Formats: sequence, C-alpha cells, structure tokens
Amino acid sequence: QQQVKQSPQSLIVQKGGISIINCAYENTAFDYFPWYQQFPGKGPALLIAIRPDVSEKKEGRFTISFNKSAKQFSLHIMDSQPGDSATYFCAAVINQAGTALIFGKGTTLSVSS
Amino acid sequence: DAGITQSPRYKITETGRQVTLMCHQTWSHSYMFWYRQDLGHGLRLIYYSAAADITDKGEVPDGYVVSRSKTENFPLTLESATRSQTSVYFCASSFVNNEQFFGPGTRLTVL
Repeated sequence: QQQVKQSPQSLIVQKGGISIINCAYENTAFDYFPWYQQFPGKGPALLIAIRPDVSEKKEGRFTISFNKSAKQFSLHIMDSQPGDSATYFCAAVINQAGTALIFGKGTTLSVSS
Repeated sequence: DAGITQSPRYKITETGRQVTLMCHQTWSHSYMFWYRQDLGHGLRLIYYSAAADITDKGEVPDGYVVSRSKTENFPLTLESATRSQTSVYFCASSFVNNEQFFGPGTRLTVL
C-alpha cells in the first residue's frame, strides 16, 4: 500500500512532442505528490508538485494531472526539448506525518532532435 | 557555501572495510535522508532523521548505520562493506518532509 508505481520505465520522444509519464498509488492518505528531475551525474531536483485538492497544475511546459478517484497522477511535458532528457521520478507522502517520500522507480526520457 | 554537500564524491573500498559517507547541510533543515540509487530500483530510502538524535529506518537499512548529533550533519556508515552496497548514495534534506533538496551524490564501489 506504500508503493508508487511509475510507467513507462523509458520513453523516447521527438523534439516538439508531448512526453507523458504516469504514476499510480494505493494509499489514499497521501496528500503531496511531487515530481523530481535528475540529470546524469546530478542529484534529483524538485520539478513540480501537486496536492490532491486540485486536478491540474501547470508550470511552463510541465503539467501535473491528478485523478483522485483513480489514484493516479501524471506528468506531461509539452513541446519536449533535448534539454528535457533526464530521469523523472514521481513521489508521494503523507505530509506532516513524519514519514519520508515514497518514490516511483523512475522514467528515463530521451528527446531526440 | 550554502546548500547540501556530500563527501567524498567518489570512493573505492574493499569488502569488509568500514566506510563513512558524509552529508552536511547549511539550511538548518529538520529532516535529512539517505537514499541509494541503483539501476532498475530507483531511489530507495536507507535511513532518515526528523531532528537531531532522532533517526528511523527506511526501506533498505541493513548493513548501514546513521547518527545525527548535530542538525547539519547526517553521516552514513557501512560497518562492513559488501559488493551489494556498490551504488550511488544521495543525501537529502527538507524543512518539512515534502520538498527535499538532494546533494550531488557519492559513487561508492566495493571491490
């Protein structure tokens, strides 16, 4: 019940295309859902996050869509660029509960030019 | 410099040796975390700490020891390194347990 399942494991998208990464969770007590971006040789960095009281959050070309009833959330990268090539991790946590983020296994995105 | 730092960045050791990975943050964040990253497994939590002198096990704590005598430091010790502990180790910190800031990582090879 503590798992966050992420798919696909890897993704190849052409420049200008839309990249979509999906995550699913079981624990309905989770109330904070961040996405992290990691470039090779670097630590992960927070990209965008959402709370379950909204269905969508957009920051530039990055959008999180959240479906509370389906217990799913996804990251959409519009107009994907080669510089977006990285590994993306979704995560979930019960905020303020004193527990740690539960991460998905990651998606390696390659944007071809 | 402000932020979160890890040392060493690269370490090669032999099976059975004790190794300590250091993590230091300058934000006075309450929470600190240790993860290991391996292909196919993503980020797996080893230990975390909610405050000085408070630590808790994560998903994969066996073979590791942590301490947190000061808020800013959170060392991770491999008491007797094994080859299965070859990995990239990330330290992270957060003020509350949501937005975590990650260090640059330590690549550890156990021969």
